[in-house]
Amino acid sequence: GAGVSQSPSNKVTEKGKDVELRCDPISGHTALYWYRQSLGQGLEFLIYFQGNSAPDKSGLPSDRFSAERTGGSVSTLTIQRTQQEDSAVYLCASSLGLFTGGGRISTNEKLFFGSGTQLSVL
Amino acid sequence: KQEVTQIPAALSVPEGENLVLNCSFTDSAIYNLQWFRQDPGKGLTSLLLIQSSQREQTSGRLNASLDKSSGRSTLYIAASQPGDSATYLCAVLSNTGKLIFGQGTTLQVKP
Repeated sequence: GAGVSQSPSNKVTEKGKDVELRCDPISGHTALYWYRQSLGQGLEFLIYFQGNSAPDKSGLPSDRFSAERTGGSVSTLTIQRTQQEDSAVYLCASSLGLFTGGGRISTNEKLFFGSGTQLSVL
Repeated sequence: KQEVTQIPAALSVPEGENLVLNCSFTDSAIYNLQWFRQDPGKGLTSLLLIQSSQREQTSGRLNASLDKSSGRSTLYIAASQPGDSATYLCAVLSNTGKLIFGQGTTLQVKP
């Protein structure tokens, strides 16, 4: 597709259930980010994938959160045993990435965001 | 640990005013700084990207500056319009590829 696609756009779940959020990045983008945005707050970094490198998971708030990126394209963010404090908008973004082929670094790659998934845990 | 701060948190101005939004960061080892716009209930749109070797970037009525050594950036909006009302976020890209955001400045431009 032309942009970053996230699904579902809205998810309502009960406390204790597991949820999966999906992100389809722009084709060819090697970098993929997940962020969380609570009401009226800024973006909280969760996880970052860059090509085939090990992901930077330093922002995941607990071991209930995990993410995968299959085949260097689609990514899934999974939240197990959801809690009410997990309620937020989960945003995915992609870019051509910092580390291009041949060991070159590109610092001019803009980030493109999806519209987000609004998660509500009751 | 990189921290990004934006001041003010909220700003209300009459239409036609020029205004400045501020962004500061604690670690100057960045590759670039980006300014984004977020409309209510929507994702973010990239406005300007300044590479660490650059001092400023301009797009239409927007001008962003970067002083890496002092850890500061400003976004200047000229002749503000009601359509400029949105939340503006800055983000810095670290040398590991991690992009860290500030909390944003919510701007309201009154007709």
